[in-house]
Amino acid sequence: AQSVTQLGSHVSVSEGALVLLRCNYSSSVPPYLFWYVQYPNQGLQLLLKYTSAATLVKGINGFEAEFKKSETSFHLTKPSAHMSDAAEYFCAVSGLGAQKLVFGQGTRLTINP
Amino acid sequence: NAGVMQNPRHLVRRRGQEARLRCSPMKGHSHVYWYRQLPEEGLKFMVYLQKENIIDESGMPKERFSAEFPKEGPSILRIQQVVRGDSAAYFCASSPPGASKNIQYFGAGTRLSVL
Repeated sequence: AQSVTQLGSHVSVSEGALVLLRCNYSSSVPPYLFWYVQYPNQGLQLLLKYTSAATLVKGINGFEAEFKKSETSFHLTKPSAHMSDAAEYFCAVSGLGAQKLVFGQGTRLTINP
Repeated sequence: NAGVMQNPRHLVRRRGQEARLRCSPMKGHSHVYWYRQLPEEGLKFMVYLQKENIIDESGMPKERFSAEFPKEGPSILRIQQVVRGDSAAYFCASSPPGASKNIQYFGAGTRLSVL
C-alpha cells in the first residue's frame, strides 16, 4: 500500500523568499514520486518526477525536490518565490509500471508581496 | 500535439439524471486514468483503463459509476442517477506505453454540479 502526507495545508511566503513544501510517503515497493501544480480551475501540471535515477530532481519554473529514502521524504523547494507560484501543489506516489497515482491532500501556496 | 482533452468543462445535472464525461488521451497514449477531486481535497483514483480493457477499478464506487475506453473514440466516465455527493471535479490523465508509462498527463477536468 502507498500513501502520501503533505505537512501544512496552507503555506505563505513573501516574494523572493525560500519556498519549502513538505511531502512524506509510505510505499511497500520502490516508489516513483511526483509533484504536480494546479492553478485555479485548471488541471494538474507536472512539475518534476523521481523515478529512481538522481535523488536531486530539477523541475520546471525553478523548482527542485530531493528524494531521501532514510526520511521517506520528497520535499519541494524553490530558492526565491515569485507571485506566479501561487497555486495548489500536490505530491503523489506510484509504484513500478503504469499504476495509479496516490495523492497527498495538497498544499496551497500563497505569495505575499 | 494536443494535450489530454476533456469535455464538457462544466456539466450541470439534476438529481437522478445521468452524467457522461469524455476524455481523449494524448496522441499515442494507450493508458487512461480517471480521478475525482472533491472540494478542498486531493485527487482520488477511480479507474485505470487501456483500450477495451479495465485494468484497475479499485477506486470506483460499486454502484452507478462505470467507465469504458473503446477501440475507437474517447474514454467515457458514466454516472447514473447522480446525487449531490457526486458534485466534484473529475480529471482524466493519460500515459504512453513503454518506459514513460509512469508519467501521467492531466486534462483540465470536468466540473460536475448536481442540483
